[in-house]
Amino acid sequence: DGGITQSPKYLFRKEGQNVTLSCEQNLNHDAMYWYRQDPGQGLRLIYYSQIVNDFQKGDIAEGYSVSREKKESFPLTVTSAQKNPTAFYLCASSKYPDPFSGNTIYFGEGSWLTVV
Amino acid sequence: QKEVEQDPGPLSVPEGAIVSLNCTYSNSAFQYFMWYRQYSRKGPELLMYTYSSGNKEDGRFTAQVDKSSKYISLFIRDSQPSDSATYLCAMSVNSYDKVIFGPGTSLSVIP
Repeated sequence: DGGITQSPKYLFRKEGQNVTLSCEQNLNHDAMYWYRQDPGQGLRLIYYSQIVNDFQKGDIAEGYSVSREKKESFPLTVTSAQKNPTAFYLCASSKYPDPFSGNTIYFGEGSWLTVV
Repeated sequence: QKEVEQDPGPLSVPEGAIVSLNCTYSNSAFQYFMWYRQYSRKGPELLMYTYSSGNKEDGRFTAQVDKSSKYISLFIRDSQPSDSATYLCAMSVNSYDKVIFGPGTSLSVIP
């Protein structure tokens, strides 16, 4: 089935450690995104990539890093520089650009990161 | 003022009720409007997509866009307990621009 796969679903990290969240899509979408979701704050864009080997910072990129070496994959590293990393992280993708459906975004199931 | 605003709720309705969920926005250039449904601890799923003004219907769901008022709505008819979720509105200026999400409205449909 086509979709977006995020792993792990739940992750615990000690303070000072980096952690990498995996995101793979088989939808043949060009664009991929990482969002962070906190209670009461909605979705905030961390990084996005519209093409392989290129990515841009979103609204809250500090303390995060990404790579886009393959069209299907867009891993997110939460570094020790991220001051408040405990959150629900969502990977997403869209067909870019698609004049027929705007910029509708499809999401993975999310990864819960807890810093202990 | 936030670019997209939603009443966070929680909104609680009895089964079978008509539900109205709303978003207001400040950027008059938005042309693409979307509604997502998010169940607890899951990723959001696309419910409805509309372009520019007007209505769009899909089963029990109707999306309305009023660009003159900068206001969009999602109506759910004959609401079911399975509709209990958080509903996020989202919008963008064009097909390659950043999508802006509202904070979401939490809905509970009571049997």
